[in-house]
Amino acid sequence: GAVVSQHPSRVICKSGTSVKIECRSLDFQATTMFWYRQFPKQSLMLMATSNEGSKATYEQGVEKDKFLINHASLTLSTLTVTSAHPEDSSFYICSARSGNEQFFGPGTRLTVL
Amino acid sequence: AQKVTQAQTEISVVEKEDVTLDCVYETRDTTYYLFWYKQPPSGELVFLIRRNSFDEQNEISGRYSWNFQKSTSSFNFTITASQVVDSAVYFCALSPSYTGGFKTIFGAGTRLFVKA
Repeated sequence: GAVVSQHPSRVICKSGTSVKIECRSLDFQATTMFWYRQFPKQSLMLMATSNEGSKATYEQGVEKDKFLINHASLTLSTLTVTSAHPEDSSFYICSARSGNEQFFGPGTRLTVL
Repeated sequence: AQKVTQAQTEISVVEKEDVTLDCVYETRDTTYYLFWYKQPPSGELVFLIRRNSFDEQNEISGRYSWNFQKSTSSFNFTITASQVVDSAVYFCALSPSYTGGFKTIFGAGTRLFVKA
């Protein structure tokens, strides 16, 4: 099956710094990628939809200036958490769409101290 | 509105018991997909099944079975003869194919504990 990777798998950073998370589709091209956030013991919540070559579409309540998404190629989307704060600590999961299927990455656990 | 409801927050069973995880969904789309995912403590989502809205056939895969009923908008998941390794959080999800743009909406999840 199709594989989606995320890097890094785990990151710890200081408050106020920015963190970039990469999402790659390894063996297929993805015109659309999605970014989800999951707080402890909660469900996955969609943050934004990322389309290659165009601006991301953010869900209501998600700050686009804080969570910068770039979908520069058909195999790579990046999520940058700018000026991270402890409340941004979460599990971030990306997914990539291929036709009618969606494949999830393994997730990135962000801890902001 | 697009919505997935998993009313059971936590379920605890003893090994070898059968357990059913409930899922009820709402969508106005006539074409959609339903999923079940398993999330073990490691966090990585494990895909279990995808069902097209036009395919109401029930499915069995080993100890796992799924019952899809459009009349009640339900897509329930049964684990037969549960094992300790089945302990995880299970998510039911909906992907509306038209109005939702294939975005996936997750239920709140059901945490399953299987005791030895």
